[in-house]
Amino acid sequence: ELKVEQNPLFLSMQEGKNYTIYCNYSTTSDRLYWYRQDPGKSLESLFVLLSNGAVKQEGRLMASLDTKARLSTLHITAAVHDLSATYFCAVEGRRDDKIIFGKGTRLHILP
Amino acid sequence: NAGVTQTPKFRVLKTGQSMTLLCAQDMNHEYMYWYRQDPGMGLRLIHYSVGEGTTAKGEVPDGYNVSRLKKQNFLLGLESAAPSQTSVYFCASSYEQIGNQPQHFGDGTRLSIL
Repeated sequence: ELKVEQNPLFLSMQEGKNYTIYCNYSTTSDRLYWYRQDPGKSLESLFVLLSNGAVKQEGRLMASLDTKARLSTLHITAAVHDLSATYFCAVEGRRDDKIIFGKGTRLHILP
Repeated sequence: NAGVTQTPKFRVLKTGQSMTLLCAQDMNHEYMYWYRQDPGMGLRLIHYSVGEGTTAKGEVPDGYNVSRLKKQNFLLGLESAAPSQTSVYFCASSYEQIGNQPQHFGDGTRLSIL
């Protein structure tokens, strides 16, 4: 059964700092997604990672995927207050079509 | 472009009442999903569908039923609402399991069961 774990679940950091959010999953998958959610809002797609070694970057966010380690990271560079949100990773199981989410990382960036 | 539309946006029910949440997408997506979001729990998959006329159970299917009679619509039913079903419900849709497109989410339905 596919399980997805994110850590940390809560992160408070200063503007200008770098940090990494981790997403581990339990079964083989080649497809991983990162989403952002602002309070009271829906989910916004950030990245789609489709193969081992995939790296995607958008602004101060960079996501990578290591399918052998079953690990994805979301790296934040020189954080700014506007990046405060909850970030979710989601993994698509290879054997079925389920997409399972992690519990989310609530990121609070102090101005 | 409407994308994924959920109705209603808010609803309050009494325990034991029934209701249906509607999800409609205009992107010709094959796959559709229903999730519930509770504080500290992330999104949990209730049921999903890989095409018209098909449905499958997700992580937390008990107490819910679904139907996909038309490709563009995915209905989530609560036959006898319970307070534990108080949650925010999100519908999502996507293309088939090829390509590099993410799920598209609706704005959510906030459901309270008294």
